Amino acid sequence: NAGVTQTPKFRILKIGQSMTLQCTQDMNHNYMYWYRQDPGMGLKLIYYSVGAGITDKGEVPNGYNVSRSTTEDFPLRLELAAPSQTSVYFCASSYSPGLNTEAFFGQGTRLTVV
Amino acid sequence: QQPVQSPQAVILREGEDAVINCSSSKALYSVHWYRQKHGEAPVFLMILLKGGEQKGHEKISASFNEKKQQSSLYLTASQLSYSGTYFCGTGDQYGNKLVFGAGTILRVKS
Repeated sequence: NAGVTQTPKFRILKIGQSMTLQCTQDMNHNYMYWYRQDPGMGLKLIYYSVGAGITDKGEVPNGYNVSRSTTEDFPLRLELAAPSQTSVYFCASSYSPGLNTEAFFGQGTRLTVV
Repeated sequence: QQPVQSPQAVILREGEDAVINCSSSKALYSVHWYRQKHGEAPVFLMILLKGGEQKGHEKISASFNEKKQQSSLYLTASQLSYSGTYFCGTGDQYGNKLVFGAGTILRVKS
């Protein structure tokens, strides 16, 4: 059972480039989340999804886009990368509505924008 | 709005106890606690639900005071393996968003 899988693990982008961070879960979870974690800081919610076709903004959505066409996949798109987007990105998923169950995290994508 | 955690950091010797607090200006419906080791993903510790009981996990337990909109994490007889950053996460009334506090760095020394 793989859980939550993120790819790539590391990436260096140049300013202005775009990329998609991939997130896949095999636990049939409806709820999925994207967080960013700046060095020495906490987790900031970027976007979340409560099911296929339904997404909503979190605390820091600017500069990002998401889609959820399937239950398994929740990709995060960065358009026109900026140095301020240098961070570690975590994807997470959970099963139950009402946040009655734990969130499972992927291993993270470390992104550097230069 | 993210919950507020205190203290920001704490240093303990093995065997000592610690308390980490999590408070919110909004009504709390659920509180999650996670621990993150350096360079790793956060790992689930426990969930406390509105109206639920105090939870325990080995020597780590937590309480949830709905009226004060607070939760506290209690680490008893700390071990070296307890070192890491502890995050509390709170859910909104619809149970959709999971928003985390800034974290509390815990370092246990031998």
